[in-house]
Amino acid sequence: DTEVTQTPKHLVMGMTNKKSLKCEQHMGHRAMYWYKQKAKKPPELMFVYSYEKLSINESVPSRFSPECPNSSLLNLHLHALQPEDSALYLCASSQPRLAGGRSTDTQYFGPGTRLTVL
Amino acid sequence: SQQGEEDPQALSIQEGENATMNCSYKTSINNLQWYRQNSGRGLVHLILIRSNEREKHSGRLRVTLDTSKKSSSLLITASRAADTASYFCATAPTGGFKTIFGAGTRLFVKA
Repeated sequence: DTEVTQTPKHLVMGMTNKKSLKCEQHMGHRAMYWYKQKAKKPPELMFVYSYEKLSINESVPSRFSPECPNSSLLNLHLHALQPEDSALYLCASSQPRLAGGRSTDTQYFGPGTRLTVL
Repeated sequence: SQQGEEDPQALSIQEGENATMNCSYKTSINNLQWYRQNSGRGLVHLILIRSNEREKHSGRLRVTLDTSKKSSSLLITASRAADTASYFCATAPTGGFKTIFGAGTRLFVKA
């Protein structure tokens, strides 16, 4: 199984709502990522989890709260978002870079969640 | 600041022609990767080239890497309408963990 799944595919929420994005992979990868992508722009890294621990937070506002319940699941909890947070949210996974060895940075992406904040 | 810059920003060609996209980056890297993204979808990994490699092939794809110029190119030969997509280079800086994506090239292949 080389697939990363994301739910929901589309999400429309108001600025006062609380919602969650979900991501799942069963490739045994121990690094998982959240990216935000605006139209016609490259993905921007938000968070990285390595071995279920948050290793990178790219100064993301606290209205985005990541969670990694286990090695296969990654959630992104959303609260009090702004209209400018509307974007495609992509999840990805990879094997963590091997210490002292060859890096294995190939990332496998899910199809994304198209988020619209009204 | 963004690690990878790509040119051209957009490219329109006829089916059967070759398409070349270029990527430049700023710091030393462990490897450089190319990804494809169809409109509004997730990214698909195409090819990875390591810092000690100069050229790599995969099917109709040819990637070159020049670490002295901090640049890479992706050549798609005999393009097809199905190759229409955005193409991103992505670098893994030495000593860093995160992968940084370039601005991307939007390729349109006309049937």
